[in-house]
Amino acid sequence: GQQLNQSPQSMFIQEGEDVSMNCTSSSIFNTWLWYKQDPGEGPVLLIALYKAGELTSNGRLTAQFGITRKDSFLNISASIPSDVGIYFCAGVSSGSARQLTFGSGTQLTVLP
Amino acid sequence: KAGVTQTPRYLIKTRGQQVTLSCSPISGHRSVSWYQQTPGQGLQFLFEYFSETQRNKGNFPGRFSGRQFSNSRSEMNVSTLELGDSALYLCASSLQRLQETQYFGPGTRLLVL
Repeated sequence: GQQLNQSPQSMFIQEGEDVSMNCTSSSIFNTWLWYKQDPGEGPVLLIALYKAGELTSNGRLTAQFGITRKDSFLNISASIPSDVGIYFCAGVSSGSARQLTFGSGTQLTVLP
Repeated sequence: KAGVTQTPRYLIKTRGQQVTLSCSPISGHRSVSWYQQTPGQGLQFLFEYFSETQRNKGNFPGRFSGRQFSNSRSEMNVSTLELGDSALYLCASSLQRLQETQYFGPGTRLLVL
């Protein structure tokens, strides 16, 4: 089946620093999604990407849909304490069996 | 607009029992998908319902089943519970059938003893 490799698995950064995480796949996706999950809650959609090469921002967050359609990255600029959480990428494949495939997540810790 | 709601939020069961979880999608959303989240396996797709019909199914045993009602609310049932079924069960809704943008509920945390 399809697999998404998300890295890094965890990050410890200082408040104010920028952070970058990415996902790569062995298969092509038509859509890339980035979610953030806080403890005890469901994932919250941050950014959705629908076209290869697309670069989209949402406040301090910027994400890109890779040209090959097999990768995506998420950047967070000027991190703040509330950025702490687990970030997931998810890809949506084409065809009748479209479904979300999730990466394993990046645990982000922001140190004061 | 209210978000996706799931009930109950927490549940404790014993092996061999069965459980039913409920999900109410965002008003107007017709597609509901269910996911299992565990520390070891991450987020895994269970199934998707649209117009009261299961449209897509992940790689889970037949003990996991679901249904959707005419108001788009969905239930998920797990029979003959096993210890490994302990997980956070998430449902997500989207406007149309498996539209790419899915919105998740807070989840039901199930503990099987």
